[in-house]
Amino acid sequence: AQKITQTQPGMFVQEKEAVTLDCTYDTSDPSYGLFWYKQPSSGEMIFLIYQGSYDQQNATEGRYSLNFQKARKSANLVISASQLGDSAMYFCAMREIYNFNKFYFGSGTKLNVKP
Amino acid sequence: DGGITQSPKYLFRKEGQNVTLSCEQNLNHDAMYWYRQDPGQGLRLIYYSQIVNDFQKGDIAEGYSVSREKKESFPLTVTSAQKNPTAFYLCASSIAAGRMNTEAFFGQGTRLTVV
Repeated sequence: AQKITQTQPGMFVQEKEAVTLDCTYDTSDPSYGLFWYKQPSSGEMIFLIYQGSYDQQNATEGRYSLNFQKARKSANLVISASQLGDSAMYFCAMREIYNFNKFYFGSGTKLNVKP
Repeated sequence: DGGITQSPKYLFRKEGQNVTLSCEQNLNHDAMYWYRQDPGQGLRLIYYSQIVNDFQKGDIAEGYSVSREKKESFPLTVTSAQKNPTAFYLCASSIAAGRMNTEAFFGQGTRLTVV
């Protein structure tokens, strides 16, 4: 089974609007961490935000927030007030406590921000 | 500044040749990783290493080899046995144990093309 599933290969959003990128995960470990990365066309991977499985509140970092629904095993990334520079690939990733040194990545979502 | 350096940025390989991609980090991380990314696709794990002189196969290790003789270095050799090596290769590092919220840090990537 896939550890991380991102079901939206591509998304469009109008500049200044909010957009949600979906991510579901599969684990039976009691503790795990969820990460979102941004990959611009240059190829570098930029870490955006982290959510721990025991965190009571949804993580936020500037315009990025994570909508964490533990019972549904989802960790969706919300980008508010989209900017043209947000156009990129976005990857959801997970690490598990019993396999600490493996990061599992989803297939990514290509976000295009329209002016 | 601490970080991960991959070289070269672009690499061209002839059919039947072995090539080695360099990855060096000065973050004092124990764990290092190699990922392969095909156009429009997610990251697939080739090899990872949790400590010097030890490494494990990832999901697509066939046709690749690695070494970890120094903590700072984790070179990847793409052998002639890899039938479709044209791809973007990303090296990453992370702490090997401890805080779950420590992300993987990535290099700038090497784009390998078979000519």
